[in-house]
Amino acid sequence: SQKIEQNSEALNIQEGKTATLTCNYTNYSPAYLQWYRQDPGRGPVFLLLIRENEKEKRKERLKVTFDTTLKQSLFHITASQPADSATYLCALLNQAGTALIFGKGTTLSVSS
Amino acid sequence: DAGITQSPRHKVTETGTPVTLRCHQTENHRYMYWYRQDPGHGLRLIHYSYGVKDTDKGEVSDGYSVSRSKTEDFLLTLESATSSQTSVYFCAISEGGTANYGYTFGSGTRLTVV
Repeated sequence: SQKIEQNSEALNIQEGKTATLTCNYTNYSPAYLQWYRQDPGRGPVFLLLIRENEKEKRKERLKVTFDTTLKQSLFHITASQPADSATYLCALLNQAGTALIFGKGTTLSVSS
Repeated sequence: DAGITQSPRHKVTETGTPVTLRCHQTENHRYMYWYRQDPGHGLRLIHYSYGVKDTDKGEVSDGYSVSRSKTEDFLLTLESATSSQTSVYFCAISEGGTANYGYTFGSGTRLTVV
């Protein structure tokens, strides 16, 4: 069955460094992949999506790559700040094409 | 979150009682979703709707029902609450039904079944 795995439950980095989060998927070939941010006690917030024919997408300090051969997406936050501390979720459409399925998330902590 | 509200924000209920959670949107989006979020499981789809009176089951639909009589409201009902339904419930809306549209989530309802 379709699976999404975010390899690290937690990632701790120092302010100013680049954070890299990984999302792997199996048994599926999605046309799009999305990334969300979730703060404690809040709902996820959509950050960006990348299409299968896009190798890379950028938005301010965020960069996402999508490698359909490796079945992997990497999410980078450059010049990280303590305010970037949150849980980041990747998502793709389920095989039925009806709704998003989500990875369990990686909790990023940026220390000053 | 702008355009989508969930009520109540918190609820404690007893085992065996019916509970209804409400999701209200002002965006006029066709697609609405209910997810639950639990430690170790992440977000899991309960039910979704692709229009008024058009709903279908997600991966964890047992014990839940939904109704959508108006575009703006999507109700989730636990017919007879059980402790395993203690969770945080999120509603989401989407302009389109495919993954080239991001979802907008509500702030969630924390439900405790005692």
